[in-house]
Amino acid sequence: DGGITQSPKYLFRKEGQNVTLSCEQNLNHDAMYWYRQDPGQGLRLIYYSQIVNDFQKGDIAEGYSVSREKKESFPLTVTSAQKNPTAFYLCASSIGVETQYFGPGTRLLVL
Amino acid sequence: DQQVKQNSPSLSVQEGRISILNCDYTNSMFDYFLWYKKYPAEGPTFLISISSIKDKNEDGRFTVFLNKSAKHLSLHIVPSQPGDSAVYFCAALPTGANSKLTFGKGITLSVRP
Repeated sequence: DGGITQSPKYLFRKEGQNVTLSCEQNLNHDAMYWYRQDPGQGLRLIYYSQIVNDFQKGDIAEGYSVSREKKESFPLTVTSAQKNPTAFYLCASSIGVETQYFGPGTRLLVL
Repeated sequence: DQQVKQNSPSLSVQEGRISILNCDYTNSMFDYFLWYKKYPAEGPTFLISISSIKDKNEDGRFTVFLNKSAKHLSLHIVPSQPGDSAVYFCAALPTGANSKLTFGKGITLSVRP
């Protein structure tokens, strides 16, 4: 079954801690994206990668980091510099720049 | 500065009736538009899209209309079903190889049985 998987479903972060959210896809898509959704808000782009070993900042990249060492994987690290990390994080992938396919999401909560 | 606006945060319709979800945009460089549907605690799923060279695209119960001069698009769902109750996001893509999707804030649709 082709698709995008995100893990974990729920993640708890302590103050000052870095946490990493996993995103894997087996759709053979070149492009991958990370979005953040807050209540009553749309999806805001954190980082995106159009090809392996290359990525660009989105609209709200501060406090986050990513890597793209493999085509199928695009992990997102929420660093201690992100002062308001509580949100629903969504990973997506696409062949071109048009239709994006989303994973099930990870909800990050701060203890 | 919101480039994609979904000004009505919610909509409630009776089952079997038409649902009309509206979306406005300000960037004249947008030339491809998509609608996504999202259930709580799940990722959005692609619903339907339209290119700026068209003014209508239909897929089953879902039709998207685009009015370029008014920078307005709408999603029509006919007939509405309780399973359509979800948040609907409008998204827009400008021309260019490195373009990124811009999402609206979403509209919560409730279909009453």
